[in-house]
Amino acid sequence: GAGVSQTPSNKVTEKGKYVELRCDPISGHTALYWYRQSLGQGPEFLIYFQGTGAADDSGLPNDRFFAVRPEGSVSTLKIQRTERGDSAVYLCASSQRVSSTTDTQYFGPGTRLTVL
Amino acid sequence: RKEVEQDPGPFNVPEGATVAFNCTYSNSASQSFFWYRQDCRKEPKLLMSVYSSGNEDGRFTAQLNRASQYISLLIRDSKLSDSATYLCVVNDFNKFYFGSGTKLNVKP
Repeated sequence: GAGVSQTPSNKVTEKGKYVELRCDPISGHTALYWYRQSLGQGPEFLIYFQGTGAADDSGLPNDRFFAVRPEGSVSTLKIQRTERGDSAVYLCASSQRVSSTTDTQYFGPGTRLTVL
Repeated sequence: RKEVEQDPGPFNVPEGATVAFNCTYSNSASQSFFWYRQDCRKEPKLLMSVYSSGNEDGRFTAQLNRASQYISLLIRDSKLSDSATYLCVVNDFNKFYFGSGTKLNVKP
């Protein structure tokens, strides 16, 4: 079946610009996660949605970052006034949220963001 | 202190070798544990969950030691296709913490 999809696959922007990154989770998955991965590091948690609401946004680095999931399916990560340090691969993952102890995540291919 | 720590490697092993990775985690209340595999410039993919009783999937065996707060992954009879980065993952109340990964190179 269809997995998690993310668009665009690559995004190059200039410092100070606004960007939106989109994630389409696996159909029926209620939980959705955003991560950021820098070279040589593991994915770093940004935000977690359960349904339409952000259940935990403690990983967002500052108020330039914002994410929405208005209908409980597709999510958009929005970054304002981009900085060179925002350059990374942004990964989205979804899970069924059947149980907190057995929940496993399935990742999309990521969006590689480059801020010039 | 990082929530999850791993030796970055690389581990360079010949085909057919047995190799083991460990990872330590800081929160004794962590609920669930996983190993993911990540190929270069690809997304992480679930390799296996890790249970307290230990679990095996073919050539892969995962163990959890809650008392010492470490997780291990053993790969037997390494294949060239096992070359990848292995990420240790810990779930703390719906927040998933990833280690930086251990790189494995299996050579002919």
